[in-house]
Amino acid sequence: DIQMTQSPSSLSASVGDRVTITCRASQNVITYLNWYHQRPGKAPKLLIYAASSLQSRVPSRFSGSGSGTDFTLTISSLQPEDFATYYCQQTYSTPRTFGPGTRVEIK
Amino acid sequence: EAQLVESGGGLVQPGGSLRLSCAAAGFTFNTYGMTWVRQAPGKGLEWVAGISGTGGSTYYADSVKGRFTISRDNSKNTLYLQMNSLRAEDTAIYYCADTNYYDSSGSWGQGTLVTVSP
Repeated sequence: DIQMTQSPSSLSASVGDRVTITCRASQNVITYLNWYHQRPGKAPKLLIYAASSLQSRVPSRFSGSGSGTDFTLTISSLQPEDFATYYCQQTYSTPRTFGPGTRVEIK
Repeated sequence: EAQLVESGGGLVQPGGSLRLSCAAAGFTFNTYGMTWVRQAPGKGLEWVAGISGTGGSTYYADSVKGRFTISRDNSKNTLYLQMNSLRAEDTAIYYCADTNYYDSSGSWGQGTLVTVSP
């Protein structure tokens, strides 16, 4: 199975800050890497698919990069509605594993 | 716009069974793969199972293989998860979701809670 790790596990940031979250796969997943966020009590929401493609109707302040084993999600200017937990997921092979999550909190 | 509505969750004793359903609307159901993802209380997301658009291919997490069965009825636009031999560690919110580009999941249901307890 492909193991996914994320760093940091949590971070505190202010509205307007630039935020970067890193995801690493234990094996090459090419660009089969997706990013989601989840607000408390809500279902996850897809932000980025195929490592760098912005999902429809997701704000352009979200961007993704990387290939192989190392990936990054960047929020260019953090907004109040972005305070949530962020997950990466590889879909290169089954089982489709998620990372453990990065909690983004208000500073 | 796609809509997914799960049902069938509830309280069940260890060793018991439960069948979850996910009713789909607003998209051509039989052209999309589908998946079940769960989230234990206070924990992260765990992929459980996936199925192709035709239902001909199915995939499972090791933690549920041999106990859970994913299936679909394309004539009813409905996805199912049959869960047998339930354990306390299966307690979670279960979400259904579609799979699209690069098997990403752009549409999710609201989730249904399964509690396995004596």
